[in-house]
Amino acid sequence: DADVTQTPRNRITKTGKRIMLECSQTKGHDRMYWYRQDPGLGLRLIYYSFDVKDINKGEISDGYSVSRQAQAKFSLSLESAIPNQTALYFCATSDVGDGWKFFGPGTRLTVL
Amino acid sequence: GESVGLHLPTLSVQEGDNSIINCAYSNSASDYFIWYKQESGKGPQFIIDIRSNMDKRQGQRVTVLLNKTVKHLSLQIAATQPGDSAVYFCAETGSRRGSQGNLIFGKGTKLSVKP
Repeated sequence: DADVTQTPRNRITKTGKRIMLECSQTKGHDRMYWYRQDPGLGLRLIYYSFDVKDINKGEISDGYSVSRQAQAKFSLSLESAIPNQTALYFCATSDVGDGWKFFGPGTRLTVL
Repeated sequence: GESVGLHLPTLSVQEGDNSIINCAYSNSASDYFIWYKQESGKGPQFIIDIRSNMDKRQGQRVTVLLNKTVKHLSLQIAATQPGDSAVYFCAETGSRRGSQGNLIFGKGTKLSVKP
C-alpha cells in the first residue's frame, strides 16, 4: 500500500473552508483517480487523469477540483467544504490497459 | 440504468467453510469485472478479475464465476479464514461512451468469519 500515499489521513474542517487532499504514487502509472466512499454506498468517481495534461470529470465532480502536478501527484481540492462532503476519499492509480485500480489508504474527511 | 449491486449486505461463515458472495449487474455491455476486498481502515485491494469472454477464473483460494445470461457474478472463497473478514465489492467497467475505465462499484458485502 505504500506505493500510493495519501495525505492527510484524517482531517476535520469547518463549512466554507478550502481543503486539499494529496496523493502521491511510486508505481509509475500514468492514470490516477479520485474516488469518494460513503457508508452503505460503493465508491464513486470524482475525477480522473490519464496523464499530466489530461483531466476529466467523473460521476460526482461538482464541488471538487483537481490538479495533476506531475505523473506521480494528483491533488483533490474542495473549494468551499460543506457537510455532505464528509466521506472517505481514495486515490487510485492504474497502468494503461489495466482495468483494475491500485488504491491508496484513504483520507477520512469530516466537514462540520 | 447501469448499476452493480449485491444480493446480501452481510455474510457470516464458520472458519474453514467456503464463502460465496454474489453480485448482480444490469449493463449487458459490461466486459470486465473485478472483485475487491476492503479491510477496516484500508483502501480496496484487488482480489481477482474476469473478462466477459470467460465464465470462470481461479486464483489462490478464490474463484470468480460470471453468468452473462442472468448478469450475475460471484466470488467463492475456499476454506475461509479469519483474515478474510472484510467488505467485498464487485465492480465493473461500463462500456458506455466516456466511461474511460471508470469502475462502477456495488455497495459491498461484509463477510464475517466465526472461529
